[in-house]
Amino acid sequence: NAGVTQTPKFRILKIGQSMTLQCTQDMNHNYMYWYRQDPGMGLKLIYYSVGAGITDKGEVPNGYNVSRSTTEDFPLRLELAAPSQTSVYFCASSYSWAAGNTIYFGEGSWLTVV
Amino acid sequence: KQEVTQIPAALSVPEGENLVLNCSFTDSAIYNLQWFRQDPGKGLTSLLLIQSSQREQTSGRLNASLDKSSGRSTLYIAASQPGDSATYLCAAAISSGSARQLTFGSGTQLTVLP
Repeated sequence: NAGVTQTPKFRILKIGQSMTLQCTQDMNHNYMYWYRQDPGMGLKLIYYSVGAGITDKGEVPNGYNVSRSTTEDFPLRLELAAPSQTSVYFCASSYSWAAGNTIYFGEGSWLTVV
Repeated sequence: KQEVTQIPAALSVPEGENLVLNCSFTDSAIYNLQWFRQDPGKGLTSLLLIQSSQREQTSGRLNASLDKSSGRSTLYIAASQPGDSATYLCAAAISSGSARQLTFGSGTQLTVLP
């Protein structure tokens, strides 16, 4: 099973550029999430989705946008990249938010904004 | 606002030793408490999930406990092995209306010396 797949693995952006981080899962999960992890810190939630067509902001949504047109895909868009967006980005999914459901993470996308 | 703290930030032990990793959280109204393992350059892997109504969960050499009243959880690793070397993160799940999310600690980096 592929699980949660993120692309690209590494990317260098110039200030002001835009890009999309792709995320797809093959587990038919309803819930999908985007987190960022800064060095030595825990993960912070950027956006999440509870199903196709439904998205909501997390703790740190500024500078990002998401869409969820299908159950499988949950791309994260960075508009006008800033150095503060240099981080590792993780996509994750779970079947539901109900008790006992495991959350599965992708392997991360390392983004540097210079 | 929920805050999750993990102390120590790093821990080094000789192989075979039993060890305890600590996690504390400020808001006891959690949905569940999860422990994850993160290997360098990889995503997070779920290890154990403790529901708010439970006191502990066990998986192989791992045992996680939860004390909501004191805002603490521990991860006990028995007979540690070099392969256990990784960063361990705990996360408290809160559910407040549509704001469903995990709040992560910054992790404990464990090194098990051969």
